[in-house]
Amino acid sequence: QVTLKESGPALVKPTQTLTLTCTFSGFSLSTSEMRASWIRQPPGKALEWLARIDWDDDKFYSTSLKTRLTISKDTSRNQMVLTMTNMDPVDTATYYCARHGRGGHSFDYWGQGTPVTVSS
Amino acid sequence: QTVVTQEPSFSVSPGGTVTLTCGLSSGSVSISHYPSWYQQTPGQAPRTLIYDTNTRSSGVPERFSGALLGNKAALTITGAQADDESDYYCVLYMGRGINVFGAGTKVTVL
Repeated sequence: QVTLKESGPALVKPTQTLTLTCTFSGFSLSTSEMRASWIRQPPGKALEWLARIDWDDDKFYSTSLKTRLTISKDTSRNQMVLTMTNMDPVDTATYYCARHGRGGHSFDYWGQGTPVTVSS
Repeated sequence: QTVVTQEPSFSVSPGGTVTLTCGLSSGSVSISHYPSWYQQTPGQAPRTLIYDTNTRSSGVPERFSGALLGNKAALTITGAQADDESDYYCVLYMGRGINVFGAGTKVTVL
């Protein structure tokens, strides 16, 4: 059974760095062809893909946010981590992690999401 | 930057059929974009419906189908039910590891 769960601070101040952790079970990010992504959704707005990490540690980032994002994994702990620097109120959103499905180009399992508010 | 386009909203009668589309601001959608579709109700995480253009995810009812229609990807709901009232998002793979979401379509069943 595949599960993912996001964790991290609910509130961060402007200019701070956000660190989110996705803890998963039922698969390993060291398995060939396995991939996972971070996705966010501001309140009342659309989903936005942020970053992806692959089994071979390849990393890919949203063009518009790549200077602020770092994605990493800890396969021994079955975790994936996202850091986002220089947080701004417009980064207020629910942040999701998701596993990529067969073929690697779409998402099959999602976490429940964790809300993050950026405010002083 | 290429934008993924979706209709903002659609209304469908119970039992009716509705087709949502997913296009590109520049160019045509093809199987190489591996279109996928997700359903989201308020306060919930997205649910995967369709991947790789037309493959239904496990447990998804047959009334949901995906295809390419002209230069767009399409999601058709045949025999809409009340609990199909949701937001629907498409995702396109743009190459070099990058996925892009559309702005979503709000479907109302009434």
